[in-house]
Amino acid sequence: AQTVTQSQPEMSVQEAETVTLSCTYDTSENNYYLFWYKQPPSRQMILVIRQEAYKQQNATENRFSVNFQKAAKSFSLKISDSQLGDTAMYFCAFMKGQGAQKLVFGQGTRLTINP
Amino acid sequence: DTAVSQTPKYLVTQMGNDKSIKCEQNLGHDTMYWYKQDSKKFLKIMFSYNNKELIINETVPNRFSPKSPDKAHLNLHINSLELGDSAVYFCASSQDGTGNFGNTIYFGEGSWLTVV
Repeated sequence: AQTVTQSQPEMSVQEAETVTLSCTYDTSENNYYLFWYKQPPSRQMILVIRQEAYKQQNATENRFSVNFQKAAKSFSLKISDSQLGDTAMYFCAFMKGQGAQKLVFGQGTRLTINP
Repeated sequence: DTAVSQTPKYLVTQMGNDKSIKCEQNLGHDTMYWYKQDSKKFLKIMFSYNNKELIINETVPNRFSPKSPDKAHLNLHINSLELGDSAVYFCASSQDGTGNFGNTIYFGEGSWLTVV
C-alpha cells in the first residue's frame, strides 16, 4: 500500500517570501502521479500542481513549482513570492498509474502567510 | 457554473437518522468519487464509480450506500447516523478513473455533516 507523509504540520512565512513544503511517499510502483492540492478556509479542494513520475522535468505553474526526486521518493512544493491568498492547508497526494484511480493523501501542512 | 456541485453544504442531524448528500458534475467526466475528511483534516477515499459502475469500495460501513443514477450524478446515503460520521464529505470527478491515465481529480466544495 502507498503512504504519503508530510512532516510539517504547520508553517508560517512573511508575504513575498519563498516557502517550501515537503512531502515523501512510499511505493513499489514505477508509474504514478503526484499532486499538490490547496484547501483554503472555504474548504474547497483546489489542484495546485501535478507531476507525472515518468517525467524528469519538474512541473511549474506560475509561482508554484515542485522538486521531484524519484529515487528519494520526495515531492516538495515551492511557493515563490508568497501572497496572503496562499494561506491554506496543502495536501500532497499520490495516484498509482494502473488500476482504479484514487488519491492517497498526506496529513496536510497548514501554511500561513503573514502580512 | 460549478463543475462539481454537492448539496447540502451543511447538515446537522441527530444520531440514528438517515440522510443523503447529492452530487452532480457538468464536466462530462466518466468517473465520480466520494472522499471523507475527518476532524483531523485527513482525507480518504470511500467509493468511486465509473459510468454508473462501482470500481472502488474502501472499507466503509454498510450504513453508507452510494448510488449513481447516471454518470453525471453520484449520491451518498447514510443510514443510522453515528457521532463518528461527523466529517466533511467531498464529491469529486475525473475524466477516466479506470486506467493508466492519471487524470486529475476535481473536487466539489464539500458537505459538512455534523451528527449530534
